[in-house]
Amino acid sequence: EVQLVESGGGLVQPGRSMKLSCAASGFTFSNYGMAWVRQAPTKGLEWVATISYDGSSTYYRDSVKGRFTISRDNAKSTLYLQMNSLRSEDTATYYCTRDLPPFAYWGQGTLVTVSS
Amino acid sequence: DIVMTQSPSSLAVSAGETVTINCKSSQSLFGSVRQKNYLAWYQQKPGQSPKLLIYLASTRESGVPDRFIGSGSGTDFTLTISSVQAEDLANYYCQQYYDTPPTFGGGTKLELK
Repeated sequence: EVQLVESGGGLVQPGRSMKLSCAASGFTFSNYGMAWVRQAPTKGLEWVATISYDGSSTYYRDSVKGRFTISRDNAKSTLYLQMNSLRSEDTATYYCTRDLPPFAYWGQGTLVTVSS
Repeated sequence: DIVMTQSPSSLAVSAGETVTINCKSSQSLFGSVRQKNYLAWYQQKPGQSPKLLIYLASTRESGVPDRFIGSGSGTDFTLTISSVQAEDLANYYCQQYYDTPPTFGGGTKLELK
């Protein structure tokens, strides 16, 4: 069974950093591209970033370019999202997803709240 | 970026009715190489993660009931739910993956009368 478990969310002040993790199991992690999708409270879904199966290619939405970094450790079957210079508009539940779109598997999400 | 526009934003129906949710893209999602439309539909129930229902505009994901039907091509797409059940109460999102960034529609909230 495919499982994606996010962690690392919480309350953070504007301008600070936070690193999210997503532990994957139930499939060969190194064979799949992965992505982060976020959802602001009571809002819709928004793709954040994608990484290829081997980490050689990464893609970001414009609003996070230069601030967020997606990475992976295939030996640990773990996906990461390093978020720097956080803004209030980054407040959202962040989901880890498997595959390039369409996203067939999602984690339960981790809430990031950016507030002073 | 490709803009995805869903309508209506909310919908109240009685159990057993058939509902239609529309999704329009700002440019064609039809890929000439594979002759497919790169459009997906997701269901998100309250407090849960999104669930993939339909991909390639009309292919049901494994385990999805056949009352969920995706149709359309080019820029205009539809999700039809026949004989709506109480368990279908959720938000529904369309998503294009023809181009990067993949973009979602604003969502349609399905409520039961």
